[in-house]
Amino acid sequence: NAGVTQTPKFRILKIGQSMTLQCTQDMNHNYMYWYRQDPGMGLKLIYYSVGAGITDKGEVPNGYNVSRSTTEDFPLRLELAAPSQTSVYFCASSYSRTSGTSQYFGPGTRLLVL
Amino acid sequence: GESVGLHLPTLSVQEGDNSIINCAYSNSASDYFIWYKQESGKGPQFIIDIRSNMDKRQGQRVTVLLNKTVKHLSLQIAATQPGDSAVYFCAENRGSQGNLIFGKGTKLSVKP
Repeated sequence: NAGVTQTPKFRILKIGQSMTLQCTQDMNHNYMYWYRQDPGMGLKLIYYSVGAGITDKGEVPNGYNVSRSTTEDFPLRLELAAPSQTSVYFCASSYSRTSGTSQYFGPGTRLLVL
Repeated sequence: GESVGLHLPTLSVQEGDNSIINCAYSNSASDYFIWYKQESGKGPQFIIDIRSNMDKRQGQRVTVLLNKTVKHLSLQIAATQPGDSAVYFCAENRGSQGNLIFGKGTKLSVKP
């Protein structure tokens, strides 16, 4: 299994541009998550999904949108990029959302907004 | 506010020594804790976890200790190797919500 894969690895955006960060998992996990990690900080939850067609906001959802049309894919959309969205973005998945379940992370997408 | 934090942001150890990385949490309702390792340019990688009904769990060269009385979590790495150099995060699961809350991380540097 490839696990959790993310594309692109790195992207530079101009202020106001939009882009989609792709995330795919091949573990048949129902639960998927998007985090951002700012320098020297822990991960903050942006959005999560408990299954195809179901998404919900995390701690820092403003400026982002998500969709979950399939079990495998969970893209993250930035509509109007701002410098505050410069960060490293991690996608994760898990087979359960209950306590006692670890999440598996992708390699990350580094985004720079200028 | 409630948070998961780390006592030491950086830790430097000699190869072969044991490492201890600490983490404090503030929510007594948290019932599941995970340690992740993050190497430079990579995503977090699961190391070991522990439930709140335990106070110790051992893996391969790693041990996690949980002290619920003082809300403290530690990760012990035996015979630290250069490959252990990374940032280590603790995370807590706050019961029914199911979302992990991450600490800021401790950078472990292993000197040869």
